[in-house]
Amino acid sequence: DIQMTQSPSSLSASVGDRVTITCQASQDISNYLNWYQQKPGKAPKLLIYDASNLETGVPSRFSGSGSGTDFTFTISSLQPEDIATYYCQQYDNLPQTFGQGTKLEIK
Amino acid sequence: QVQLQESGPGLVKPSGTLSLTCAVSGGSISSSNWWSWVRQPPGKGLEWIGEIYHSGSTNYNPSLKSRVTISVDKSKNQFSLKLSSVTAADTAVYYCARKYQLLRGFYYYYYMDVWGKGTTVTVSS
Repeated sequence: DIQMTQSPSSLSASVGDRVTITCQASQDISNYLNWYQQKPGKAPKLLIYDASNLETGVPSRFSGSGSGTDFTFTISSLQPEDIATYYCQQYDNLPQTFGQGTKLEIK
Repeated sequence: QVQLQESGPGLVKPSGTLSLTCAVSGGSISSSNWWSWVRQPPGKGLEWIGEIYHSGSTNYNPSLKSRVTISVDKSKNQFSLKLSSVTAADTAVYYCARKYQLLRGFYYYYYMDVWGKGTTVTVSS
């Protein structure tokens, strides 16, 4: 299985801050990577697909980049409603695998 | 738009079989997408269980493959999950999701863009 390692596991930031989460794959996955947001008690929500493509309706403050083994997810200006856990997910090889998640809190 | 709704028993006895159904509304299960199951144990991350295409083709997580069966019922526009020989470790929120298939050039891109709300299954006697 391809292992996905997210960093950091948790993060505290202030409203308006730029927030960056990294995701590293254990092998080259090209750009076959998605990012999801999960709020407490809710299902995950797709934010970014194909490493850098913003899902329809998702605010433009969210962005993604990277290819190969190293990927970055960025919130350009943190908003209170962005409090959630964020997951990366690879689909280059089955089984699809997720990172362990990054819990984002407001400072 | 497409919506998904999970249903099934919330409590299953150890060594029993967990059975869940995901009803698809607002679209056809025979569209060119895969239909997936994902679970999340309490306080933990997401684990992909498996998926099915409307043709009946399936892919399973090797860690669960010996215990998992995913099936599709096109007449009812729904798909189902069975997980046998359950233990407390199978206690989780179970989600169904649509894995959208996007063809761009020569490559397919996949992402789970529609999710059910999830259903909690507890394994306990």
